[in-house]
Amino acid sequence: GAVVSQHPSRVICKSGTSVKIECRSLDFQATTMFWYRQFPKQSLMLMATSNEGSKATYEQGVEKDKFLINHASLTLSTLTVTSAHPEDSSFYICSAGGRHQPQHFGDGTRLSIL
Amino acid sequence: KNEVEQSPQNLTAQEGEFITINCSYSVGISALHWLQQHPGGGIVSLFMLSSGKKKHGRLIATINIQEKHSSLHITASHPRDSAVYICAVTYGGSQGNLIFGKGTKLSVKP
Repeated sequence: GAVVSQHPSRVICKSGTSVKIECRSLDFQATTMFWYRQFPKQSLMLMATSNEGSKATYEQGVEKDKFLINHASLTLSTLTVTSAHPEDSSFYICSAGGRHQPQHFGDGTRLSIL
Repeated sequence: KNEVEQSPQNLTAQEGEFITINCSYSVGISALHWLQQHPGGGIVSLFMLSSGKKKHGRLIATINIQEKHSSLHITASHPRDSAVYICAVTYGGSQGNLIFGKGTKLSVKP
């Protein structure tokens, strides 16, 4: 079946570092990719929606200059957390959907900022 | 604003027991998803349904549109079923923009 690959699965880095997370759809064209964030013991929250070839749509309260999303092709979207701080430590997960595909989720990335 | 409520929050069962997890939502939706999140965070989509009932192996999902309620059932539960089960809905005709419940943490004891 359809698979979404998310990389890396875990990142530990110092405060001030920028971190890039990749989300790839392996066997279908993902016209839309979604990025979610989950803080401990809380629900997944949608951060932004990205459509291939256009700017991402960010949810209220999500800083677009801090969380840069690029969806340059139908199989790849990236989320870059710029100048990460400890409060950005969270679990980030992507999902991808195509024209006739339900959403498929990546395995997530656990980001820890020291 | 659509809200998704799940119950129970935590559930401990003995191996072999029949398990039910409930989900209710507040406004009309286009689809409801049941997701499984394993320790370590990876999410697997179990079901997507907009009406009726779906079955996959020991898992059964039902939805009642009029009552705005869905249930996930696990028959003959097994320790490997231990995970967090999350209900999520989409509305407004959009495939995306999932609204998630807080999840039900299931522990199945041998």
